[in-house]
Amino acid sequence: DGGITQSPKYLFRKEGQNVTLSCEQNLNHDAMYWYRQDPGQGLRLIYYSQIVNDFQKGDIAEGYSVSREKKESFPLTVTSAQKNPTAFYLCASNNDRAYGYTFGSGTRLTVV
Amino acid sequence: QQQVKQSPQSLIVQKGGISIINCAYENTAFDYFPWYQQFPGKGPALLIAIRPDVSEKKEGRFTISFNKSAKQFSLHIMDSQPGDSATYFCAVRGSNYKLTFGKGTLLTVNP
Repeated sequence: DGGITQSPKYLFRKEGQNVTLSCEQNLNHDAMYWYRQDPGQGLRLIYYSQIVNDFQKGDIAEGYSVSREKKESFPLTVTSAQKNPTAFYLCASNNDRAYGYTFGSGTRLTVV
Repeated sequence: QQQVKQSPQSLIVQKGGISIINCAYENTAFDYFPWYQQFPGKGPALLIAIRPDVSEKKEGRFTISFNKSAKQFSLHIMDSQPGDSATYFCAVRGSNYKLTFGKGTLLTVNP
């Protein structure tokens, strides 16, 4: 079945460490997105990419980095510069024919 | 600038009742208006969506009402069930196919 796979489901990080969240899709979608979700805050866009080797900052990009070397993959790195990284992270994808997004099941990151 | 305003923030409904969630948008260039349903610990899933050329779309117990002149659209859940308890997000799609989401509504359906 086609879909988006996020891994790991749970991730624990020590303060000061960088950590990379994986997002892989086999939907042949051109665009991929990373959102952060905090209680009561809705879905806030971190980064998005509409084509391989190109990406744009979203509303809350500070402290995060991404790469898009392959169409299927859009990993997100949470750097030590992110002041409050504990959150639920969601990856999504779509294309001009898909209209809506397909979301992954999310990664819950906890800084300890 | 918040392009999509969703209300209420939370909603409690009795089983069998009607749940209504509203969204208002500011930009007339949006061309797709979906609603997503999210259960705790899961990613949002597309529930129902509408294009601006129709005023209403119904799928089972779920209906979207769309008022283009008022720049508002709403989700109606008829005969609400405890299994409908979830967070609901409205969204709008702009010219670059990117969705902008409302802040979500936590729906609780009491048995």
